Amino acid sequence: DTGVSQNPRHKITKRGQNVTFRCDPISEHNRLYWYRQTLGQGPEFLTYFQNEAQLEKSRLLSDRFSAERPKGSFSTLEIQRTEQGDSAMYLCASSLGAPNEQFFGPGTRLTVL
Amino acid sequence: AQTVTQSQPEMSVQEAETVTLSCTYDTSESDYYLFWYKQPPSRQMILVIRQEAYKQQNATENRFSVNFQKAAKSFSLKISDSQLGDAAMYFCASQGGSEKLVFGKGTKLTVNP
Repeated sequence: DTGVSQNPRHKITKRGQNVTFRCDPISEHNRLYWYRQTLGQGPEFLTYFQNEAQLEKSRLLSDRFSAERPKGSFSTLEIQRTEQGDSAMYLCASSLGAPNEQFFGPGTRLTVL
Repeated sequence: AQTVTQSQPEMSVQEAETVTLSCTYDTSESDYYLFWYKQPPSRQMILVIRQEAYKQQNATENRFSVNFQKAAKSFSLKISDSQLGDAAMYFCASQGGSEKLVFGKGTKLTVNP
């Protein structure tokens, strides 16, 4: 296991379409986090899981966003009815829990036309 | 709520010289952690250094060290003997009361040969 992986790396979609991203964490990590990073900004927290339980969600996570982590392994982030403002890099990270280091994946870059 | 401020959007340094990146933060938590993350162009974010707020001693990792001023809520990063591979975006982040990381907007570091 070489690190956190994310798929796809790039996604271009039309406004109004649904998209789903996948994150595979480091295998022994029970925490999984999603962040969103727009151009010129630092990452912003979206949500995190401890095993399969979603423990915290940001106000940034509107009703169009949903995240799951079935069986406490990989996670998916779905955005319904995408808007141009959803264009961003979506980052996934995993850890053994605070205060341990969060290991980041390469991100999925979403472009909404 | 936690906030992190990086007042230097861009910095440059000559190879082999020393540079200091600034970060201030605000938190109401008594127990918290501070981090510097590095994000090279088109590559994933990696942890550079971490500081536990309860520790008075400043953290060091090889050429990287911090100046942690708890009363002033300041957490600067010093890079000694700068190398071309140090060129990247550097993000200061805090973690406290929750497992989420709160990031600053970042500082773009250029290393000139």
